[in-house]
Amino acid sequence: DGGITQSPKYLFRKEGQNVTLSCEQNLNHDAMYWYRQDPGQGLRLIYYSQIVNDFQKGDIAEGYSVSREKKESFPLTVTSAQKNPTAFYLCASSIFSGVEQYFGPGTRLTVT
Amino acid sequence: AQTVTQSQPEMSVQEAETVTLSCTYDTSESDYYLFWYKQPPSRQMILVIRQEAYKQQNATENRFSVNFQKAAKSFSLKISDSQLGDAAMYFCAYPSFNKFYFGSGTKLNVKP
Repeated sequence: DGGITQSPKYLFRKEGQNVTLSCEQNLNHDAMYWYRQDPGQGLRLIYYSQIVNDFQKGDIAEGYSVSREKKESFPLTVTSAQKNPTAFYLCASSIFSGVEQYFGPGTRLTVT
Repeated sequence: AQTVTQSQPEMSVQEAETVTLSCTYDTSESDYYLFWYKQPPSRQMILVIRQEAYKQQNATENRFSVNFQKAAKSFSLKISDSQLGDAAMYFCAYPSFNKFYFGSGTKLNVKP
C-alpha cells in the first residue's frame, strides 16, 4: 500500500538532547513537508522540500533542521535550541507543490 | 499575505442533520485549489474534498459538498446526514507559492 509512515508514534526525550523524527513516503511524491501542531491549534509549517537535496524554511524553522537526501525520506531533527519542542509533528507529501497534501499519522514528542 | 479564516471554533449538529462549516481566504491569484481536511481524535489528517478555483461547479464527495464563492473568497463545507464518525476537527487549506495555509480549525461535535 502506498502511503506515508512516521516513526515512532510517541517519543520521549530529555531536555538538551537532539532528536530525529522519521518520515518516509512511497507515493513517488516530489514535495514533502513538516508541520507542528500544538493542542487546540492549527498546523504551522516548519520546513518543506520540493525536490531532493533542496529544502526551504517554513514559518517556524528555528531550532529545527532537515535533510532530503532521498526522494522517499525527509527526516526532521529537533535540536536543543528549540525552546518548546513538546508538540505533535506531522509529515506530509504532495506530487508537487500547490496540490493536495497527504499526511502521515504523526509523532507525539514529549521533552522533559 | 495569504490568510485562511475559520470563524467558528466549535459547532454541534444532531446525527442525520446537516451542518455547514465556514471558511474565507485571501489571495491575489486567479487559479488555485482549496481543500478541506478532517482530523479525528486519532489526529491523522484526512483529505475530505478539493475544489479547483477555475471550475464554477461546486465539488461533491458523497455526503460532503462545498459552496465555493470565488468573488467573495468563501469556501464552506456542507456535511449532509451527519454521522457520529464525522466528529472531528475540520481545517480549510489553501496552497500558494509552495506552501499550504491552514485555518485555525472548527471542532465539530455530533450528537446522537
